Amino acid sequence: AQKVTQAQTEISVVEKEDVTLDCVYETRDTTYYLFWYKQPPSGELVFLIRRNSFDEQNEISGRYSWNFQKSTSSFNFTITASQVVDSAVYFCALSDILSSGSARQLTFGSGTQLTVLP
Amino acid sequence: SQTIHQWPATLVQPVGSPLSLECTVEGTSNPNLYWYRQAAGRGLQLLFYSVGIGQISSEVPQNLSASRPQDRQFILSSKKLLLSDSGFYLCASFRGSDGYTFGSGTRLTVV
Repeated sequence: AQKVTQAQTEISVVEKEDVTLDCVYETRDTTYYLFWYKQPPSGELVFLIRRNSFDEQNEISGRYSWNFQKSTSSFNFTITASQVVDSAVYFCALSDILSSGSARQLTFGSGTQLTVLP
Repeated sequence: SQTIHQWPATLVQPVGSPLSLECTVEGTSNPNLYWYRQAAGRGLQLLFYSVGIGQISSEVPQNLSASRPQDRQFILSSKKLLLSDSGFYLCASFRGSDGYTFGSGTRLTVV
């Protein structure tokens, strides 16, 4: 069974601080996808990143960066110089990869509420 | 790229009334389709997924059912709503390199 743990339920930072959101996952699959999504107050899920399990290269996109450590089953997300607009719930998620390249289901963590104060 | 249309955006229904939420997908064919529910505690729970027309898998026993009458249409239903059915319902589609795409969600309040 797959499981995603986001131990931080709520984080509050002051604008311009860096913040790291933790994500630890469990799976028996050897190949899988990892995701981060942002959910603003409006409710829709905004896709941030998808990672294949065989690609451990860290990624940076603007103020966002992701640290994938397969050895510790972690996929942490860092926001540099946080802004008020970053305030949202952030979800880490895990998906299996079927032989066809498709996926059966997306397992979400419970989310981390990030509040960035001005 | 995929686009998901989900409606209605908000819905208030009395206990015991029926429910029908519809989700349609554009820009892809033969996607995997999913219904997720997000209760007040923020977590997203998979309710149903479908790999093709008429093929439905249920992840959690519940008061709800799903149907896929067409390749790009996924419907979530209930014959009699319970208070515990309140929540935010998200439809999602997965297709190869497009990855997952989510609809904008339906906020259901059962009163």
